Amino acid sequence: QKEVEQNSGPLSVPEGAIASLNCTYSDRVSQSFFWYRQYSGKSPELIMSIYSNGDKEDGRFTAQLNKASQYVSLLIRDSQPSDSATYLCAATREGAQKLVFGQGTRLTINP
Amino acid sequence: DTAVSQTPKYLVTQMGNDKSIKCEQNLGHDTMYWYKQDSKKFLKIMFSYNNKELIINETVPNRFSPKSPDKAHLNLHINSLELGDSAVYFCASSQAYTNGRDTQYFGPGTRLTVL
Repeated sequence: QKEVEQNSGPLSVPEGAIASLNCTYSDRVSQSFFWYRQYSGKSPELIMSIYSNGDKEDGRFTAQLNKASQYVSLLIRDSQPSDSATYLCAATREGAQKLVFGQGTRLTINP
Repeated sequence: DTAVSQTPKYLVTQMGNDKSIKCEQNLGHDTMYWYKQDSKKFLKIMFSYNNKELIINETVPNRFSPKSPDKAHLNLHINSLELGDSAVYFCASSQAYTNGRDTQYFGPGTRLTVL
């Protein structure tokens, strides 16, 4: 099993709808979780980080972590065409900054 | 102000050549990283330095040699380039190494094409 797994997509969502991105992880990474957004030809940029079970909201973005199910998700409300990008789920090991990335989910918001 | 910068942005070279990529961060961070992103967009860590000391060395061929002259700079030298080295190489930095919650800031990337 890969340490961090995502559905590579593409995921297509109409403008204004909720985009839901999912990620599962193995026991080898289980401490801190991050969602990065990467536009085509650009570098990854951090959108959200989450460390505890439950939901964390920041504007239109909500990260959800369920450690029992080893599952982390990102919800984007009121999706905009500018949200079209690849979303990378990443996790670190305890006490280390070694980020392990999933393969990314390509999201397209259709006007 | 550029936080993490890399040069060059594009690098096209022949197989067998030796090339270097340079990275600099002006964030005052202690830790720097090199990542490789392949054609399928999979991003994987290669090396990490903390205060000029190598702390992460993934399974990377010996042809790749990082060097950190000071904590603001991390360079990557690649010997005897192969076709499979073609990828985008990202430099990143974070405040510290021991805290697994520190945000990593990525540079703009260097697209290496080996012909």
